[in-house]
Amino acid sequence: GNSVTQMEGPVTLSEEAFLTINCTYTATGYPSLFWYVQYPGEGLQLLLKATKADDKGSNKGFEATYRKETTSFHLEKGSVQVSDSAVYFCALVKAAGNKLTFGGGTRVLVKP
Amino acid sequence: SQTIHQWPATLVQPVGSPLSLECTVEGTSNPNLYWYRQAAGRGLQLLFYSVGIGQISSEVPQNLSASRPQDRQFILSSKKLLLSDSGFYLCAWSASLAGVRTGELFFGEGSRLTVL
Repeated sequence: GNSVTQMEGPVTLSEEAFLTINCTYTATGYPSLFWYVQYPGEGLQLLLKATKADDKGSNKGFEATYRKETTSFHLEKGSVQVSDSAVYFCALVKAAGNKLTFGGGTRVLVKP
Repeated sequence: SQTIHQWPATLVQPVGSPLSLECTVEGTSNPNLYWYRQAAGRGLQLLFYSVGIGQISSEVPQNLSASRPQDRQFILSSKKLLLSDSGFYLCAWSASLAGVRTGELFFGEGSRLTVL
């Protein structure tokens, strides 16, 4: 079946540091890949997505590239802010599917 | 605009007691509705989804049930809670099943359940 594995947190960084959260997946065919973010006290919201190999999703300074050869979709941001403190979830959905499969979530804490 | 609300936000219940978590969506009609659970240290697991009133699909066998008595209302229930039911429960909606493939899945704030 489908699965998503992402690095465990918490990840603690200083402001303006570089952030990478690793995500790898197992799925047949060509799934669509997503990063969702959950800020404190809020529900999950879509951060970025990529629907085919070599696509790069980007939003709010975050980027992730769909790498089919390594089945990865790592999230990166060059300079984090305190407001980026949140839990980040990697997820996938199969090409003809209607159900998201999520990773375990990675908590990120950015200190001033 | 569309909004989604779920309550209660926090719940502490003894083992064997009943459970009812409620979720409502406003500003849209005939949404697809979902219940997810996040147990400690684990990913979000899809529990139930519904494409219409009275139509419930269960993803995993468990101690929980779901109902959709109205178009924009989705209820998660249990007759007798187990310790293993503790977790963070999230309700979500999308305009269509295909909407999930584009990331158009919108979540509520979540309900944290602790069973003692």
